[in-house]
Amino acid sequence: QTVVTQEPSFSVSPGGTVTLTCGLNSDSVSTSYYPSWYRQTPGQAPRTLIYSTSTRSSGVPDRYSGSILGNKAALTITGAQADDESDYYCVLYMGSGISVFGGGTKLTVL
Amino acid sequence: QLQLQESGPGLARPSETLSLTCSVSGDSISRNGYYWAWIRQPPGKGLEFIASIYYRGGIGSPYYNPSLKSRVTIFVDRSERQVSVTLKSLTAADTALYFCARANNDWYFFDTWGQGTQVTVAS
Repeated sequence: QTVVTQEPSFSVSPGGTVTLTCGLNSDSVSTSYYPSWYRQTPGQAPRTLIYSTSTRSSGVPDRYSGSILGNKAALTITGAQADDESDYYCVLYMGSGISVFGGGTKLTVL
Repeated sequence: QLQLQESGPGLARPSETLSLTCSVSGDSISRNGYYWAWIRQPPGKGLEFIASIYYRGGIGSPYYNPSLKSRVTIFVDRSERQVSVTLKSLTAADTALYFCARANNDWYFFDTWGQGTQVTVAS
């Protein structure tokens, strides 16, 4: 079974930098998995942040960046703001139209 | 501008079959470069991919989450304005907020989401 792993929770101080990661139980995450990142407020539709590892979606501030760090995909937020407090999900593409979501990271800014 | 609107019964009974519809406006379901997906989120939990469908030339190619494959069917309706999904043999574990989304076929990400439709499975 394919499992995409994320930190369940993370906290960052206002103005600080945080890196959330996205791993895979059966392999190293590479650009071939087309990692994408989304943020979501509970009960609302997710918003696309990053696709294809590091491309920011339209309107996403450059405080958000994506990369591959070691064997994981990573989402880095710099200059954290209160508004960044949210749930963050990564998605890996497995091929044949199938995507797998990570369990999500609840980010707290305090 | 693309808009996706999910609709469903709100409440469904255990063991029954759930039918959900995603109405697509502002774009064509058969447009090259995109495919369509259903995703759900149980209360207090994370997002889960359910199924996707590529639709070209009047023919749909469906793909399913292996853990749900035996119970799920995704299809495009005859009007080619709706992407629908059915989920049979419902249990309480299927209670969730169900989203439809458009996926980009070049970079395999979900670029547009509907607002979701809540489904509660209870007797």
